[in-house]
Amino acid sequence: KAGVTQTPRYLIKTRGQQVTLSCSPISGHRSVSWYQQTPGQGLQFLFEYFSETQRNKGNFPGRFSGRQFSNSRSEMNVSTLELGDSALYLCASSLRPGGLYEQYFGPGTRLTVT
Amino acid sequence: AQKVTQAQTEISVVEKEDVTLDCVYETRDTTYYLFWYKQPPSGELVFLIRRNSFDEQNEISGRYSWNFQKSTSSFNFTITASQVVDSAVYFCALSEDNYGQNFVFGPGTRLSVLP
Repeated sequence: KAGVTQTPRYLIKTRGQQVTLSCSPISGHRSVSWYQQTPGQGLQFLFEYFSETQRNKGNFPGRFSGRQFSNSRSEMNVSTLELGDSALYLCASSLRPGGLYEQYFGPGTRLTVT
Repeated sequence: AQKVTQAQTEISVVEKEDVTLDCVYETRDTTYYLFWYKQPPSGELVFLIRRNSFDEQNEISGRYSWNFQKSTSSFNFTITASQVVDSAVYFCALSEDNYGQNFVFGPGTRLSVLP
């Protein structure tokens, strides 16, 4: 069974630009979550989608948004990039929402904002 | 509010030594889930274990074992006879919400196993 895939793996953007990251969950998984990982703040929850609906959102500004498609694939978008948005963005999928189900993580997209 | 503390920022051991990674959590919920993940240098988080708040049984999986104590709000992870391949950052995480994936991760412990 293929794991969680994230594209692109690496990205360099300029301050003020916007970026879209993509995540394809494990086949059959309908819940997708996004996390930001930085050396200073560690792993922080961004948002979670299930059946195309955002169920939970972390404490991030409105510049961070996401969506989920009917095939459970998810995208996250960051507009008006700031230097502090440089991070590893991790996507995780699970069968359904809730702590009963393990999350499986993708390799991440490393975003560098210059 | 939920919080996870991993007091050990970095640990170095020599191969074959046993090592315990500490995790202390805070939550006001009676139903919650605790997790351990491993992040090797490649960056991908690898699921190790999940434990719900009603199951205080310790668990052993090969060289890995976990000790869950609600009385001290701790969920510690022990690696027996450590190996170089165990070198990674280990994260403890807490999920209070049964219907969401609002995980809170600890800051992680970087384990270096020296040959």
